[in-house]
Amino acid sequence: AQTVTQSQPEMSVQEAETVTLSCTYDTSENNYYLFWYKQPPSRQMILVIRQEAYKQQNATENRFSVNFQKAAKSFSLKISDSQLGDTAMYFCAFRGTSGSRLTFGEGTQLTVNP
Amino acid sequence: DTAVSQTPKYLVTQMGNDKSIKCEQNLGHDTMYWYKQDSKKFLKIMFSYNNKELIINETVPNRFSPKSPDKAHLNLHINSLELGDSAVYFCASSQDTVEQYFGPGTRLTVT
Repeated sequence: AQTVTQSQPEMSVQEAETVTLSCTYDTSENNYYLFWYKQPPSRQMILVIRQEAYKQQNATENRFSVNFQKAAKSFSLKISDSQLGDTAMYFCAFRGTSGSRLTFGEGTQLTVNP
Repeated sequence: DTAVSQTPKYLVTQMGNDKSIKCEQNLGHDTMYWYKQDSKKFLKIMFSYNNKELIINETVPNRFSPKSPDKAHLNLHINSLELGDSAVYFCASSQDTVEQYFGPGTRLTVT
């Protein structure tokens, strides 16, 4: 079974600075997908970014980018130029190709301070 | 337009009652899911339906019964509610694009 681990329960960053959230996972599959979801206080789950394991290039979406290290089974999220609206719980998630379920990490609560 | 909607958004009920949560998606997706988010914010899959057929059924008490009348709807019925059922329940849907799109969640409080 796949497992996803986020070792940072809480993090904080000053507005306009850069922060990196960590995620590691365990799987025996070779092809899979990784995601970062954001859950603000409104509790809506919002997809931030996704990465296909077969792609070597790290995914980027505006201020959000990932550092995908397949051999190390690591998938960190970097947020540049942090904004107050980035304050949220961030979840790392894994989806294998043999099934459609998402396996989530425990989440990291990010607070952006003015 | 709301892509994935759930009703109700809040549900407060007493132990022993039976309740239902409804989910509808207008994205044309074939697969729908129910996830449970506990008090520690941990999210876990409960069920998944593909084209009205049950494809994922996690270790969930049989008091929980999903029903999919058509591929745009996936409802969750809970019998004999217990205190431990208090949580936020999320519906989601996906197609070949892999991403899952989540509804706004239903906060269930059992007293």
